[in-house]
Order: sequence, then structure tokens, then C-alpha cells
Amino acid sequence: EVQLLESGGGLEQPGGSLRLSCAASGFTFTSFAMSWVRQAPGKGLEWVSGISGSGAGTYFADSVKGRFTISRDNSKNTLYLQMSSLRADDTAVYYCAKDRSVVGPDYFDYWGQGTLVTVSS
Amino acid sequence: DIQMTQSPSSLSASVGDRVTITCQASQHINNYLNWYQQKAGKAPKLLIHDASNLEIGVPSRFSGSRSGTDFTFTISSLQPEDIATYYCQQYDNVPLTFGGGTKVEI
Repeated sequence: EVQLLESGGGLEQPGGSLRLSCAASGFTFTSFAMSWVRQAPGKGLEWVSGISGSGAGTYFADSVKGRFTISRDNSKNTLYLQMSSLRADDTAVYYCAKDRSVVGPDYFDYWGQGTLVTVSS
Repeated sequence: DIQMTQSPSSLSASVGDRVTITCQASQHINNYLNWYQQKAGKAPKLLIHDASNLEIGVPSRFSGSRSGTDFTFTISSLQPEDIATYYCQQYDNVPLTFGGGTKVEI
């Protein structure tokens, strides 16, 4: 059974940093690209960042480029999102999502339950 | 960036009704269009990929089609458990983009 378990969310001040983690199980982690998708309170879905199965390819939304870094540790089956220079409009539930392909990003057949990030002073 | 214009933003229908949601891409995206269902407080669920391919395990009352840059998602006979918000998503180009969502109510 595929499971994706996010952690690391919480309250952070504007300008601060947070690192989100996503522990994956139930599939061959290195064989699939992964992405982060966020959803601001009461709003729609926004793709944030993606990474290929090997980690060689990384992709970002313009809204987070230069502030967020995506990485993965294939030995630990874990995906990360390092967020810095946080702004109030980064407040959202952040979902970890498994891509259908190894290269990605394309579409997401499994999602985690999400972790809430709140940026406020 | 490719803009996905989804309509309507909300709709109300009765059990058994046929429900149609559309997404228009701002440029040609081939068939690289997916549909998700999100129930309140839950993560999204993939229903259809590549415009018309039903995900395994998804009921056959859900379907998708494409005409040029216009994509249609249909529920042939609305069921109470279909109450949710539905999103389209393109992956022809990075950044991936979602439509604004359609909230379906009974």
C-alpha cells in the first residue's frame, strides 16, 4: 500500500525558514518523480515544485523560485522541501504527491494527507 | 505559463443528473490534462489522466474528453458521494497549472 506521510509544518514568522519532509512507503521510491502541491485556506490547488526519481531534475513554480529547494534522499525514501524567506502568502496545506513517471512532473496518483504551514508574525 | 480556465466555479444538481465541467487551456496542451476530485478536508484524488483515461478503480460514470484546447469532464449520473470540488490540471509545460476548481453540490 502506497503511503506518503508529511511532517514539518507549523507556525513560522515572515522571513523565516521551514523544512518539510515526506516519508514514502509501499513503492519503489527511486522509480518515480515526486512533487509538492499546496492549497491556501479556502483556495484551489497550486503546484509548487517537482523532482525526478534520480533527483537530477528539479522544477519550481515562479512564486517560489529562488526561495524554496526540493530534494530527496532515496536511501531513506524521503522527499524534502526547504522553504526560506517565507511570506504570508506561503500559508497553505502542503501536500506531497507521487508522480506517475520517473521524470515528472506530470500527474499525481497518490497524495499525502498534507501538512499545514502558517506564516504569520 | 499555461492558464487553465475552469467553469463553472460551482454548480448544484440532483442525484441522477448529468454534470459537465469544462476546462479551457490558454494554448495547445495535447492530451496532457488530468482531473482530480477533492472532498472536504481530504487530499485530492486522481480520476482521469491524459484527457480521457479513467484511473483504475474509478467508477465508469466519470469520463473526460477533449476538443482542441477545450476539455470536458462528465459525471453521467450524479451520486451523493460525488459531492466534492473538481480540478483540472495540465502537464504539457512546467509550471504545472490547475484550474480554479468546480464545487459540486446537491
